[in-house]
Amino acid sequence: NAGVTQTPKFQVLKTGQSMTLQCAQDMNHEYMSWYRQDPGMGLRLIHYSVGAGITDQGEVPNGYNVSRSTTEDFPLRLLSAAPSQTSVYFCASSYSVGASEAIFGQGTRLTVV
Amino acid sequence: TQLLEQSPQFLSIQEGENLTVYCNSSSVFSSLQWYRQEPGEGPVLLVTVVTGGEVKKLKRLTFQFGDARKDSSLHITAAQPGDTGLYLCAGAGKAAGNKLTFGGGTRVLVKP
Repeated sequence: NAGVTQTPKFQVLKTGQSMTLQCAQDMNHEYMSWYRQDPGMGLRLIHYSVGAGITDQGEVPNGYNVSRSTTEDFPLRLLSAAPSQTSVYFCASSYSVGASEAIFGQGTRLTVV
Repeated sequence: TQLLEQSPQFLSIQEGENLTVYCNSSSVFSSLQWYRQEPGEGPVLLVTVVTGGEVKKLKRLTFQFGDARKDSSLHITAAQPGDTGLYLCAGAGKAAGNKLTFGGGTRVLVKP
């Protein structure tokens, strides 16, 4: 099925561990982004990409890295997990920014202990 | 302070009642979108408005973009339990840079 696929769906990490959240889309969208969702905070943008090889920081980028080597994949790396990174993470893709629909993955629920 | 402020944060109503959710900003947006999110799922787009003063209807949902393109509202007529969810507005344009910025969300609970 066409759409955005995120893995894993759930993850528990110990403080200081690193991990990569995977995101793939098969719609040939140029624009991809990562958000975190915390209670009462809506969705906050972590990093985004307007095309392969191009990434930029969003509102809350500290502690996260991204790369975009292909149009399809946009992984998010946690370098050294901290309890403050406990959240639900969503990857989204769209044809462009703004007027076009953002298609979201099902999310990754991350707990850092 | 978020670029887009949504109010109220939480709304609980009885089936059949009407409700309105607001999305406000001091900045101008070139477009504004409304999403609905259900537990355990990602947000799903309901509508996009791009013209100041624009009104769009989706069955019992009415969306309005302010004349100055700084605010928007979502009105649900005769709410049903299936309308329960988290409603999110999101704006794009110069004020948000080259990205989509979300409000804090309004959680709606429609009781049968």
